[in-house]
This record gives sequence, structure tokens and C-alpha cells, in this order.
Amino acid sequence: AQSVTQPDIHITVSEGASLELRCNYSYGATPYLFWYVQSPGQGLQLLLKYFSGDTLVQGIKGFEAEFKRSQSSFNLRKPSVHWSDAAEYFCAVGPRSNDYKLSFGAGTTVTVRA
Amino acid sequence: GAVVSQHPSWVICKSGTSVKIECRSLDFQATTMFWYRQFPKQSLMLMATSNEGSKATYEQGVEKDKFLINHASLTLSTLTVTSAHPEDSSFYICSAAHTRRGIGYEQYFGPGTRLTVT
Repeated sequence: AQSVTQPDIHITVSEGASLELRCNYSYGATPYLFWYVQSPGQGLQLLLKYFSGDTLVQGIKGFEAEFKRSQSSFNLRKPSVHWSDAAEYFCAVGPRSNDYKLSFGAGTTVTVRA
Repeated sequence: GAVVSQHPSWVICKSGTSVKIECRSLDFQATTMFWYRQFPKQSLMLMATSNEGSKATYEQGVEKDKFLINHASLTLSTLTVTSAHPEDSSFYICSAAHTRRGIGYEQYFGPGTRLTVT
């Protein structure tokens, strides 16, 4: 069965500090991988995605993620967090087909303290 | 970038009435759209997949007669909550699949609709 695990429910980080959000997946084959961010009361915004090629992908807002096949992981990182990064972050995986259906992790809430 | 809109952004209705929520892809054609429901502090729950010109595919446990989905064009899908009850109060989010030329795809999400049934 497909599953996406985000082990950290809530992370608090100081402004200017680095951030890493973990994501592990269980899938029949290497899926497409995505990170989304959701601000309170808003829809989801795509931060970055991995389809193939370079396993370190760059996204918007200074985020990057690294795909590690051996660990079935796709962790999200940001070197220096800004207060505006406080939000809910979702990891998602989808099939390499025309299904387009995504499976989402439970999400990680990021709080940024001054 | 690809933009998806939803209307209304919030709605309050009385128990027993029906509510229609629209989802539009503004600058791309979407043969496939999705409808999600999100409870506070929780992840997204996929309700159904909407394909242009065909019947929607509902996830297990979702009542298709209660949540009517229509995908009449390549840019519009609608979700109608029929005979709404307070337990239907939730945040409903739609998304549209945008395919990348040659490889991959993304889902672009609407801003969501907050439904409150009194």
C-alpha cells in the first residue's frame, strides 16, 4: 500500500536558523515527489517537485529537497528561515502515469520564533 | 504560473439546502481535477477525481449522491453539496492537474472554500 510519512507533527525554529522537514514514502516504484506549503485558511502552493535527474531540487522561496532512493526519503530544507515561512508543509507522492492522483502526508506545522 | 480559482471562498447555508462550489483553471486546460476535504489541523482527504466529459470517480466512503461533481469543460469543475448538514461543514479544496510537456505533472490548488452549515 502507498503511504507517506511525515514524522514531525510540529517543528519550532528560530528566525534565521536552518529548517529540515522529513518525508518518507512507501510506494511500488519510485514516484513523483512534491512538497506543498499551506498558509492558514489558504490552498496549497507547490514549493518544488522531483520527477527525475538531479536528486537535489531547488524550489521557490529558497527551499530545496533531496531525493534519496535508498532511504525512500524526500526531505525539505531551507538554510535560513524567515518569519513568513510559518505554515503547514505537506509532502506528497504521485504515480508515474496519467493517474495524477497524489497521496499526502499528515503535514508538519512550522512555527518560527523571533 | 498555473492558477486555479474557487468560488465562493466561504459560504454559510442552512441545513437541508444545497451549495455549489466552482473550481476553475484560469490559464491552462485541465482534463483532470480533484476535490479534497480538509478538517482542522489535518491533511487533505481526497473525495473524488473529476475528468472532463465523464463521470467523477469517488473515493471509498464518499457519498456520490451527496457530493455531486460535474466537469463540464476543460476549465471548470463544480462540487454540489446536496441537502447539507452540519457535519458537512469543512474546508473544501479543488486542484487541477497540469501536465508537463514530456514528463511529469503537477497539481495546482485553489484557495479553498469554507463551508459552514447551520
